[in-house]
Amino acid sequence: GAVVSQHPSWVICKSGTSVKIECRSLDFQATTMFWYRQFPKQSLMLMATSNEGSKATYEQGVEKDKFLINHASLTLSTLTVTSAHPEDSSFYICSTISLPRLADYNEQFFGPGTRLTVL
Amino acid sequence: LAKTTQPISMDSYEGQEVNITCSHNNIATNDYITWYQQFPSQGPRFIIQGYKTKVTNEVASLFIPADRKSSTLSLPRVSLSDTAVYYCLVVSGGGGNKLTFGTGTQLKVEL
Repeated sequence: GAVVSQHPSWVICKSGTSVKIECRSLDFQATTMFWYRQFPKQSLMLMATSNEGSKATYEQGVEKDKFLINHASLTLSTLTVTSAHPEDSSFYICSTISLPRLADYNEQFFGPGTRLTVL
Repeated sequence: LAKTTQPISMDSYEGQEVNITCSHNNIATNDYITWYQQFPSQGPRFIIQGYKTKVTNEVASLFIPADRKSSTLSLPRVSLSDTAVYYCLVVSGGGGNKLTFGTGTQLKVEL
């Protein structure tokens, strides 16, 4: 299957700083990437849909000015958590579908996730 | 998107077959049923997808009755490494759509 990487795998930062998380599709082109957030013992919650070359679409309740998404190329999307606070501490996961499609079914490929801890 | 309901947790022993049932009463005609597996601190991984009847791959089987209002993920002869959260999702047949994750089922496999 397709490979999606995230960097960094974990990050610890001070409150008020900004953190950038990268999501890369390593062996295929991804016109669409998705960003999720997962708190401990909870399910994944979709934050936004990132489309290459255009503005991201945010889910209701997600602050677009706080969670900046950039999808500048077909292999890279970035999520920047601006002015991070302890309540932003979470596990951030990206996913994508491939272009061209690697499978006949609607499979999304997930990255390994990034653990963000804000002190 | 159709809402899904599945048990919060299940326990099993190594070597047993595990069946996790998911209900999706409001599934639409062009929706598919998809299952993902997630280990702690990792991204979910696709397991299997089906539309109706039975689908089998090297990892699992998926049983879908004629009315498609429920589905059952069957894991044959589980091992300790199958301990994970299993998510049942209903996905639009158009592809590329956002996924809505429910609570998932925490499967714990013991010796």
